[in-house]
Order: sequence, then structure tokens, then C-alpha cells
Amino acid sequence: DTGVSQDPRHKITKRGQNVTFRCDPISEHNRLYWYRQTLGQGPEFLTYFQNEAQLEKSRLLSDRFSAERPKGSFSTLEIQRTEQGDSAMYLCASSLGTSNTGELFFGEGSRLTVL
Amino acid sequence: AQKVTQAQTEISVVEKEDVTLDCVYETRDTTYYLFWYKQPPSGELVFLIRRNSFDEQNEISGRYSWNFQKSTSSFNFTITASQVVDSAVYFCARRGAGSYQLTFGKGTKLSVIP
Repeated sequence: DTGVSQDPRHKITKRGQNVTFRCDPISEHNRLYWYRQTLGQGPEFLTYFQNEAQLEKSRLLSDRFSAERPKGSFSTLEIQRTEQGDSAMYLCASSLGTSNTGELFFGEGSRLTVL
Repeated sequence: AQKVTQAQTEISVVEKEDVTLDCVYETRDTTYYLFWYKQPPSGELVFLIRRNSFDEQNEISGRYSWNFQKSTSSFNFTITASQVVDSAVYFCARRGAGSYQLTFGKGTKLSVIP
């Protein structure tokens, strides 16, 4: 399967714990995005990477959140000191910079439940 | 924030009926892009279409068609002869030319009943 893959698919954690999600984009895609989706809502933008550079960050990305893409390939999203309000689906997407459709390819998401 | 509004939260139609999903957007950008994505029960968002703000030509792709009207800031999506496999949540989204950030609407859940 050559689509966007995310790991883990589900994570249940206690409030105050740290969690990390991993995203492997489509191999030739240089752009990578993180979004968050809560029940009944549309995805909300968190951050964007072009290669290894983090070029855009949402105000939603508080100082408890950090994202990296160290070699311009896979990315990690870490949430420190989780809160119940962090419970959501975390979606990763990738795209090819030369694509003229601007299409984002999404993964199936990592669902976080904070107890 | 430049919002995207999908006023229809849920729609149910009987198979083979036509259905239109509404999308109204706000923008301060001269150049912007509009998108529709489909999210089936499996959860993975699937790209359907992108339109550029400078191209108001309507588009048809099989049973799908899109009506873009800048005058009313609307980008509506019509499914003709709906099928059960069309059941999903559909999201409209916009992006300004200077950003890679997509702003999504809250989505419309479409249920097609056999």
C-alpha cells in the first residue's frame, strides 16, 4: 500500500501523559500536513511542512504540541501533558508540490482518547 | 477567520434521486481555491475537486457536478442519480493563495437509502 500511513490508529491515554503519533507520507510527496478533527466537525489545520521545514503553524498548536519532520520524510506529532480536550482524530496528509490540483492525500488518522 | 459554511448538517435521499450539497464561503483573498472532499465511514478523506477563484466554469464528472458562483460566494455540489455508495460526509474547503492551510466546513452527512 503506497498511501499515507499513520501509527498508532488508536491511542487511549490518561490525562497528563505524553503521546506521539507518526505519519509516513506518500514517498515522493514533499509537503506534509497535520489536521485535527473532532466529532461532527471538519478537520482543523495544525501545521504544514515543506520537506523538513515547518512553514505554517496554527494558533491551535499550543506549546504542548510539537511536530517534526527531521529528514523530510516521516513526521511525528507529540502532545505533552495531554488534556481531555485533546481527544480527537489526528489526520496527516501529504501532497506533491508540483501537482496542479492541490490535492491532499489523507491517511486514516490516529484517534486519541484522553481519560 | 474566513469561514466555510455548510448549512445542511444531514441529508437523506432515496437511491436514484438527485441531491445538492450547499457550500458558502468567506474570503478576503483575490485568489483562492475551493475544494470538495468525501469522508466515507472508513474515515479517510478523499479529494473530489479543486476550483480556482478565477475560473467560474462549472464542471461535470460523471454523476458529480459543481456550480461555482463568485457573486454569491457559493460552491455547490450536485450528485445525480445517487447511489448507496455515495453515503458519506462531504466537506467543502477553501485555501487562500498565500497559504497551504485548508479551512473546512463542518460537513454534510449524506445518507442514500436503497
